[in-house]
Amino acid sequence: GIQVEQSPPDLILQEGANSTLRCNFSDSVNNLQWFHQNPWGQLINLFYIPSGTKQNGRLSATTVATERYSLLYISSSQTTDSGVYFCAVSQYSGNTGKLIFGQGTTLQVKP
Amino acid sequence: ETGVTQTPRHLVMGMTNKKSLKCEQHLGHNAMYWYKQSAKKPLELMFVYSLEERVENNSVPSRFSPECPNSSHLFLHLHTLQPEDSALYLCASSQTGGPIYHEQYFGPGTRLTVT
Repeated sequence: GIQVEQSPPDLILQEGANSTLRCNFSDSVNNLQWFHQNPWGQLINLFYIPSGTKQNGRLSATTVATERYSLLYISSSQTTDSGVYFCAVSQYSGNTGKLIFGQGTTLQVKP
Repeated sequence: ETGVTQTPRHLVMGMTNKKSLKCEQHLGHNAMYWYKQSAKKPLELMFVYSLEERVENNSVPSRFSPECPNSSHLFLHLHTLQPEDSALYLCASSQTGGPIYHEQYFGPGTRLTVT
């Protein structure tokens, strides 16, 4: 099956710093989502980005589907950005959008 | 209520107990999913229901039994669980149908501890 690899596995930043998280996937995908999991376990949708570039405030994402990777950029990081960031991909199959998750990047932003 | 809700948020059960997890989506979607997140492991898909029919069962042990009575509600019935089943159980929903994929939205999860 498809493999999803995220890097780095762990990241520690000072508040105000910028960072780039990477997601590589081993096969063609129909779609890709980025999530932020807060300390209480809630998965928060960040981007739904099968290709191209999107921006939402301090966060932006780029997916290059032909080269099988996606990048999540966090600028001017804040302590509330701490948590685990997941990339998940889907290979459309009939009526189901089965998501395959990477292992995540654990981000800690220090004040 | 908005989005996807799950109850209970925390559950402690013995190995001989029977309990159920509930998920409700308020987004008008027609597909619902159960995922399991164990410590140090990525989220794993357990079950998919599309238009109230189970369309995927990802080799999940029979001690987990899903039920989808309508497109807004999804249950996960638990019985004779093992300590290794302790995990965060997440429910998700999406629209489905047609040739395109639709974004999935997740509930807050139920943190299950099996003693």
